[in-house]
Amino acid sequence: SQQGEEDPQALSIQEGENATMNCSYKTSINNLQWYRQNSGRGLVHLILIRSNEREKHSGRLRVTLDTSKKSSSLLITASRAADTASYFCATDGGKLIFGQGTELSVKP
Amino acid sequence: ETGVTQSPTHLIKTRGQQVTLRCSSQSGHNTVSWYQQALGQGPQFIFQYYREEENGRGNFPPRFSGLQFPNYSSELNVNALELDDSALYLCASRGGNEQFFGPGTRLTVL
Repeated sequence: SQQGEEDPQALSIQEGENATMNCSYKTSINNLQWYRQNSGRGLVHLILIRSNEREKHSGRLRVTLDTSKKSSSLLITASRAADTASYFCATDGGKLIFGQGTELSVKP
Repeated sequence: ETGVTQSPTHLIKTRGQQVTLRCSSQSGHNTVSWYQQALGQGPQFIFQYYREEENGRGNFPPRFSGLQFPNYSSELNVNALELDDSALYLCASRGGNEQFFGPGTRLTVL
């Protein structure tokens, strides 16, 4: 069964806009990770945020974590057409448990 | 490229058959996990192997089994295939907190 829920399920934006994806989860975690998947291929690790961290940045990515609300968000700034992919959050409590994913479409 | 390889890339089987999928983990990684990803869904954890022993299992029946070898490569075996086993099967090797995923094997059961 899936650990969390991601919101929205699908997101369509124009190049240059920001994209925000949200993730909620149910149990306690060691860390939360975000992954990207292009069209049925393998998952690419984007960023990991530990349970004692509140915010983390990596390039155009910004991740926040609120353990009191059991939620996380991924912000992609200045989006590009190449960012078109599915994005998954995964909680790590010893094994990775993934959400359903957000399908992001960035139009040129 | 993550350094994790999987074979075969695609596979077609019929109901009732058995299948073996293979994974070579990234050098030095002694933990391998397998995931099943149905179309339009997130990956679901099948099981994890650490130094040749299974040390975690998701909600999958016993007909899903695995092996890890001394070189840390791994196999996923599925017996008595069902139509719902059609999915992308992903393996991942763990280095610290980060998991590195292979490209997956697309299994179609007819």
